Amino acid sequence: GAVVSQHPSRVICKSGTSVKIECRSLDFQATTMFWYRQFPKQSLMLMATSNEGSKATYEQGVEKDKFLINHASLTLSTLTVTSAHPEDSSFYICSARPGDRNSYEQYFGPGTRLTVT
Amino acid sequence: GENVEQHPSTLSVQEGDSAVIKCTYSDSASNYFPWYKQELGKGPQLIIDIRSNVGEKKDQRIAVTLNKTAKHFSLHITETQPEDSAVYFCAASRVGYSTLTFGKGTMLLVSP
Repeated sequence: GAVVSQHPSRVICKSGTSVKIECRSLDFQATTMFWYRQFPKQSLMLMATSNEGSKATYEQGVEKDKFLINHASLTLSTLTVTSAHPEDSSFYICSARPGDRNSYEQYFGPGTRLTVT
Repeated sequence: GENVEQHPSTLSVQEGDSAVIKCTYSDSASNYFPWYKQELGKGPQLIIDIRSNVGEKKDQRIAVTLNKTAKHFSLHITETQPEDSAVYFCAASRVGYSTLTFGKGTMLLVSP
């Protein structure tokens, strides 16, 4: 149980284009999903927290107009990187927290490797 | 805000030896401490977690201990195997605040 999927696993796009990454909780409902960014040999950096049906909360320094997050259902959140540039190249990982208010756990997806050329 | 320090940054052991990774946290209100294992090119996998109402938790070869007074917690892996080689992250969170604060990670290398 507690499986989170991401699609695509890898994407290469040209500078100036937009890329959408999907995050799905496969066997549980997630009222809260998180998006992280990870650079090589570094820890996970939280970008934003999204709650189903409401606007995402972005961490300081993360451009909300550049990284659009939608959490339209209890099992799906999407991250759209708009007007991507080479510096946006990174490993993007989502996580999902089960809907039980007493739940603390976060389960992570397998990640999406974005390369902007 | 919460700050989590993790040591060591790298750890090399021989197969069969034990490995210990230590973390300290700053927010005394934190009450949930998970450990994640991340293999190269993959997402983190939750391997064990502990809540502040217990001092120790064990799952086969993996155990986690928590010292609330000292604000530190540790991951213990016994009888290490080459497949234990990965980066391990500790994290902390507190009631009513769902985000996790991560340590910087420990690269564990188990040599056959």
